[in-house]
Amino acid sequence: GDSVTQMEGPVTLSEEAFLTINCTYTATGYPSLFWYVQYPGEGLQLLLKATKADDKGSNKGFEATYRKETTSFHLEKGSVQVSDSAVYFCALKGGGSEKLVFGKGTKLTVNP
Amino acid sequence: GAVVSQHPSRVICKSGTSVKIECRSLDFQATTMFWYRQFPKQSLMLMATSNEGSKATYEQGVEKDKFLINHASLTLSTLTVTSAHPEDSSFYICSASGSLAGTTETQYFGPGTRLLVL
Repeated sequence: GDSVTQMEGPVTLSEEAFLTINCTYTATGYPSLFWYVQYPGEGLQLLLKATKADDKGSNKGFEATYRKETTSFHLEKGSVQVSDSAVYFCALKGGGSEKLVFGKGTKLTVNP
Repeated sequence: GAVVSQHPSRVICKSGTSVKIECRSLDFQATTMFWYRQFPKQSLMLMATSNEGSKATYEQGVEKDKFLINHASLTLSTLTVTSAHPEDSSFYICSASGSLAGTTETQYFGPGTRLLVL
């Protein structure tokens, strides 16, 4: 079945550092890919998405490119802020399916 | 756009009582709503999928008689935890996807409900 593997955290960075959170997937067909962010005590917020190969999703300085050849959707940000501290979830939605398949989440802590 | 609310945000109840959690799509019609459960420091576990006007589809291992889901309108779904026990304490999150452009492909999540059963 479809699955998502993302790097295990926690990840701790200093403010203004470069961030990469790796995400790879296994799916039949052509899934849509998502990054969601969860701040402490809250639900998930859609951060960005990509629906086809080579698409780049971007939002709030975060980017991720849908790489079909490497089945990856790594999340990057050039300069993180303390307010980016949260748990980040990579997810996919398989073609023809309504369900989201989530990775286990990566906790990011950014120190001032 | 695409805002989903949940009520209540937190609830504490006694063991054996029932608790109802509401999930509303505020600015779009949600043809499909999803209910998740999240354990501390873990990912989301899909409990069930509900389509407006039809019975919910439960994931394997989820007791349908314990977790009653109703999706009576295009903007409201409810999850009722019946005869709650301490092991039902968790963070419950709903999401919704709709029939309008921009809402069909993506699930939009509510802020979650923290349930504590004493």
